[in-house]
Amino acid sequence: QVQLQESGPGLVKASQTLSLTCTVSGASIRSAGYYWSWVRQPAGKGLEWIGRFYTGGITNYNPSLKSRVTTSVDTSKNQFSLRLTSVTAADTAVYYCATEEKFRGSIDYWGQGTLVTVSS
Amino acid sequence: DIQMTQSPSSLSASVGDRVTISCRASQTIPNYLNWYQQKPGKAPKLLIYTASSLQGGVPSRFSGSGSGTDFTLTISSLQPEDFATYYCQQSYSDSRTFGQGTKVEIK
Repeated sequence: QVQLQESGPGLVKASQTLSLTCTVSGASIRSAGYYWSWVRQPAGKGLEWIGRFYTGGITNYNPSLKSRVTTSVDTSKNQFSLRLTSVTAADTAVYYCATEEKFRGSIDYWGQGTLVTVSS
Repeated sequence: DIQMTQSPSSLSASVGDRVTISCRASQTIPNYLNWYQQKPGKAPKLLIYTASSLQGGVPSRFSGSGSGTDFTLTISSLQPEDFATYYCQQSYSDSRTFGQGTKVEIK
């Protein structure tokens, strides 16, 4: 059973960079079977896919966020991270890290989510 | 981007009702379609993958069908714990997208 836990600041100032980390347990982040993903959800709204990466070198991002998003991985800590630059109030949301099963394309495991608020 | 459109946006139903939620893709996605259930304050939960395969541990009253551009999630007999918001998601394009959600409320 894969478990994921998001961590990072809950408050970020407008124009600055949002940084979150996801700690994975129950699976190796080097696993060939998963993409490691980020999804967000503004309060009262739907789910927005941010992006995913595969430790084999594949990275895909939402085109609407691509210019501001980067992902990275720390295999020694079994963690992966999200950076979103130049944030605005529109980036205020619950951010989820998740695993996408590589061959089915389904998001099988989710973190509990962390609320990030962008303040002016 | 592939756009996913769900209908209806919300519905009211009673315990025991048969409920159907539709999801339409803006282009063909063969069977690369997943369904999730989300309850307030919780992370989404996978129900159905590749259009019609039931995720382990999910009750058999949930079923999925469709291919190409039109897909359906059916709950055969609505239970109290099924009141939630349901999302479809395409996994055909490398840029994944979700539908806007369908909220199932108690009548």
